[in-house]
Amino acid sequence: DGGITQSPKYLFRKEGQNVTLSCEQNLNHDAMYWYRQDPGQGLRLIYYSQIVNDFQKGDIAEGYSVSREKKESFPLTVTSAQKNPTAFYLCASSPRRGLGEAFFGQGTRLTVV
Amino acid sequence: DQQVKQNSPSLSVQEGRISILNCDYTNSMFDYFLWYKKYPAEGPTFLISISSIKDKNEDGRFTVFLNKSAKHLSLHIVPSQPGDSAVYFCAASASGNTPLVFGKGTRLSVIA
Repeated sequence: DGGITQSPKYLFRKEGQNVTLSCEQNLNHDAMYWYRQDPGQGLRLIYYSQIVNDFQKGDIAEGYSVSREKKESFPLTVTSAQKNPTAFYLCASSPRRGLGEAFFGQGTRLTVV
Repeated sequence: DQQVKQNSPSLSVQEGRISILNCDYTNSMFDYFLWYKKYPAEGPTFLISISSIKDKNEDGRFTVFLNKSAKHLSLHIVPSQPGDSAVYFCAASASGNTPLVFGKGTRLSVIA
């Protein structure tokens, strides 16, 4: 089945630790995105990538890092510099560069204690 | 500054009646608009979209209307069903290499 897989679904980390969220897609999509959802805030763009080995900052990139070494994979690292990392993280992909509908994964709930 | 606004955080509708969810945008470069439906702890799923060359797009019980002069779009669900209860996000993009910009969402509750 084609789709986007985020893992794990729930993640707990201690404050001050870096953590990497996985996102893999087998839809052969060029573009991939990371969004963050907080209560009452909607979906806010963290980073996006339109092609392998290239990515751009979104609206709230501070404290996060990404890589795009393969077309299928777009991992997100939440660093200790992110002041409020507890949130629901959503990965998405779209078939064309920034155009058209985006398909979302099931999300990762990160809780930092 | 929010480019996509959903000013109603929540909406309650009786089963069988029409649900109307509204969305306003400020960026005149936006030319493609989408609605997503989201259940708790799940990713959003695409519902319906509309290009700026149209003013209406219909798919079954779902219809999206676009008023470019007012920079306003709306999603109509007729008839509303209890399974429609979810958070609905409006999103927009501009031609070229821009990711989707989302509103804050409207929580729809359809009461049986």
